[in-house]
Amino acid sequence: KQEVTQIPAALSVPEGENLVLNCSFTDSAIYNLQWFRQDPGKGLTSLLLIQSSQREQTSGRLNASLDKSSGRSTLYIAASQPGDSATYLCAVREHSGSARQLTFGSGTQLTVLP
Amino acid sequence: EAQVTQNPRYLITVTGKKLTVTCSQNMNHEYMSWYRQDPGLGLRQIYYSMNVEVTDKGDVPEGYKVSRKEKRNFPLILESPSPNQTSLYFCASSPPLIGGMNTEAFFGQGTRLTVV
Repeated sequence: KQEVTQIPAALSVPEGENLVLNCSFTDSAIYNLQWFRQDPGKGLTSLLLIQSSQREQTSGRLNASLDKSSGRSTLYIAASQPGDSATYLCAVREHSGSARQLTFGSGTQLTVLP
Repeated sequence: EAQVTQNPRYLITVTGKKLTVTCSQNMNHEYMSWYRQDPGLGLRQIYYSMNVEVTDKGDVPEGYKVSRKEKRNFPLILESPSPNQTSLYFCASSPPLIGGMNTEAFFGQGTRLTVV
């Protein structure tokens, strides 16, 4: 059974710092990996989707990488801002026949201090 | 605008009183699913549907029912809610897994359910 782990569980940084959030998964037979942002009490906003054949995806100040063989993904946030404060979730979609579900990590709660 | 719409956003109910949370998507997606999110447990899948009239259990289906009579709608039904079903619920949709196709998942805004 796929397990997804995110480290650290919480992170606090001063504004302007570059930071890296980590995601690891136990079964490398994935179809894709998706990073989400969740604000308190709110829904999930998709940030980046990486297909299993890709190594990285970029959107603005965000860059996500994928190393499928080692079961790892990172989300790099450049020049962090207070508005980046949220919980960041990674989720993997597996390749198996009927299993279309996303398996989520528990998230990294990010606080960017002004 | 592509979106997944859940209603209601907030609901407080009493034990045993049947309720339905609706979910609708406007992207013509085949695949839809329901998740619940609980502190310390993350998001867990309740039920999913591969297409109209095709549904299956996820990891935590006990106490829930779903139906998929139309492609756009995927309601979650709690026949006899109990306090342990107090949670934040999310509906999601995505295209089918066809080789090389973008299968980005879209999520609704969530429904916060409290059962007293």
